[in-house]
Amino acid sequence: EPEVTQTPSHQVTQMGQEVILRCVPISNHLYFYWYRQILGQKVEFLVSFYNNEISEKSEIFDDQFSVERPDGSNFTLKIRSTKLEDSAMYFCASGWFGEQYFGPGTRLTVT
Amino acid sequence: GIQVEQSPPDLILQEGANSTLRCNFSDSVNNLQWFHQNPWGQLINLFYIPSGTKQNGRLSATTVATERYSLLYISSSQTTDSGVYFCAVEEPAGGTSYGKLTFGQGTILTVHP
Repeated sequence: EPEVTQTPSHQVTQMGQEVILRCVPISNHLYFYWYRQILGQKVEFLVSFYNNEISEKSEIFDDQFSVERPDGSNFTLKIRSTKLEDSAMYFCASGWFGEQYFGPGTRLTVT
Repeated sequence: GIQVEQSPPDLILQEGANSTLRCNFSDSVNNLQWFHQNPWGQLINLFYIPSGTKQNGRLSATTVATERYSLLYISSSQTTDSGVYFCAVEEPAGGTSYGKLTFGQGTILTVHP
């Protein structure tokens, strides 16, 4: 069964460093999303992407964040200058006419 | 934005017991999904159920969209059912776009042997 994959599974970085989180969505899906979950809290929406552009973004998704779909398979989330409060699990999701499928997540730890 | 409330926040069961988890939402939705977050943090799709009733093995779900709630039933619970159960809803978006999911706070289920 097709699934969303994410790399790396765990990333440790120092405050102020740039990180790129990578996702490979399910191949025939058209809608792509990033969410995050701070430890012990609920899952929060960051950004959605359709037809090669951002379709919606949350207040969390400020100028430090960017997304790209550089080729036909990858979908990336970049954080330019990480802060301690960016430590969280980041989930990529892809969608097919409504239902969204989530990847296993990347746990980002900012020290 | 839409509000999603789940109850109960915590639930402790003995193996073999049945349970019902509830999700209330404050406005009309296009989509409702139930997820199980396992101890490794993975979000596992359980149901895509904007309305009606579905069953998958020991799990079933019912969404009554007109009354803005959904129920997840777990029968004959097993220790592997432990984890956090999330309800998430999608508000209607413009045009043909499919929008973000808004998650509830989750129900933490612990099943003891």
